[in-house]
Amino acid sequence: GEQVEQLPSILRVQEGSSASINCSYEDSASNYFPWYKQEPGENPKLIIDIRSNMERKQIQELIVLLDKKAKRFSLHITDTQPGDSAMYFCAASSSFSKLVFGQGTSLSVVP
Amino acid sequence: AQTIHQWPVAEIKAVGSPLSLGCTIKGKSSPNLYWYWQATGGTLQQLFYSITVGQVESVVQLNLSASRPKDDQFILSTEKLLLSHSGFYLCAWSTGGYAEQFFGPGTRLTVL
Repeated sequence: GEQVEQLPSILRVQEGSSASINCSYEDSASNYFPWYKQEPGENPKLIIDIRSNMERKQIQELIVLLDKKAKRFSLHITDTQPGDSAMYFCAASSSFSKLVFGQGTSLSVVP
Repeated sequence: AQTIHQWPVAEIKAVGSPLSLGCTIKGKSSPNLYWYWQATGGTLQQLFYSITVGQVESVVQLNLSASRPKDDQFILSTEKLLLSHSGFYLCAWSTGGYAEQFFGPGTRLTVL
């Protein structure tokens, strides 16, 4: 089945700088790639997603890039703020109704 | 607007005891429904999904079972809890197979 690798597991950045999280997947049939943000004790919330017919998507300070040839996708948060501190999960869907998550990245934005 | 409710909010159970967790979706007919498990500090593991009433597909075997008795209801259960069942159980819904999944508030389970 599909496996998703996510790096780094821990990321610490200065407020106002950019943060990047990288994911790779195995199944070339994967066609949907969402990103979730999870605050401590809360449920994961979808923040941005990209489908295989796109290479780049931006929602405000969030940018997602997809390289289908390399089977990699990434999340970039520009101008990070303390409120961006949380766990971030990437995921990939290669078959109907199945979603495989990466191991998560703990992002800390420090003043 | 769609709302998703999970019950109970938290449970503390003994090893070997039974368990039943529930999830209801309001404001959306015939949603796809999902159960996920998350160990403390861990990733999300999809357990089950259901496309329609009465039909549930298992994704991984964790000595758990799921049922969908109504269009808006999804139940997760087991007759005998293990220590390894401790964690955060999340219900999610979507409009279709490759669509966005939205998570409920979750149930935190502690097995002692």
